[in-house]
Amino acid sequence: QQQVKQSPQSLIVQKGGISIINCAYENTAFDYFPWYQQFPGKGPALLIAIRPDVSEKKEGRFTISFNKSAKQFSLHIMDSQPGDSATYFCAAFDSNYQLIWGAGTKLIIKP
Amino acid sequence: EAQVTQNPRYLITVTGKKLTVTCSQNMNHEYMSWYRQDPGLGLRQIYYSMNVEVTDKGDVPEGYKVSRKEKRNFPLILESPSPNQTSLYFCASSYSQQITGELFFGEGSRLTVL
Repeated sequence: QQQVKQSPQSLIVQKGGISIINCAYENTAFDYFPWYQQFPGKGPALLIAIRPDVSEKKEGRFTISFNKSAKQFSLHIMDSQPGDSATYFCAAFDSNYQLIWGAGTKLIIKP
Repeated sequence: EAQVTQNPRYLITVTGKKLTVTCSQNMNHEYMSWYRQDPGLGLRQIYYSMNVEVTDKGDVPEGYKVSRKEKRNFPLILESPSPNQTSLYFCASSYSQQITGELFFGEGSRLTVL
């Protein structure tokens, strides 16, 4: 079965630090890799996404790094803030136009 | 305001009592989907619909039914709920999964089956 493996399951980072969440996939046919952010009591919302023809995409404090040969991608949150505390999901878009989801990472930013 | 609306947001029911969770989107999206979210398991797709009258099973369809008679509505039906269907449910929609993977989610429906 196609999978996207996400780690860590939970993460605590001090305010101002860098939060790093990693994902790995198996299927080389995946061609779109979004990250979703979910606040408590809310549905997930698209945060940032990348296609495999680029190695990095940055939007503000959020950066996706993509390593096609290793089949890994990661989310980096620079200068992490308490407002970034949320659950983060990575995902991959497969050839059947379906999203394959990671299990999620609960991020807590300590003030 | 563009949104995906789910109802009810919270529901406690008993085993075997049929229930429907409604989902409506006002963005004229073709694609709609239902997910369940359980701790440690992330988001698991129950059913999805690429367009009106077209529905397909996701990863965990057992015990659920859906219908897509209108573009805006995609109700989730539990004919005979069981305790293992206690979960947080999300409806999502997208303009077209063939163009972009961006999904717009509702705020969730927390279901407890006793």
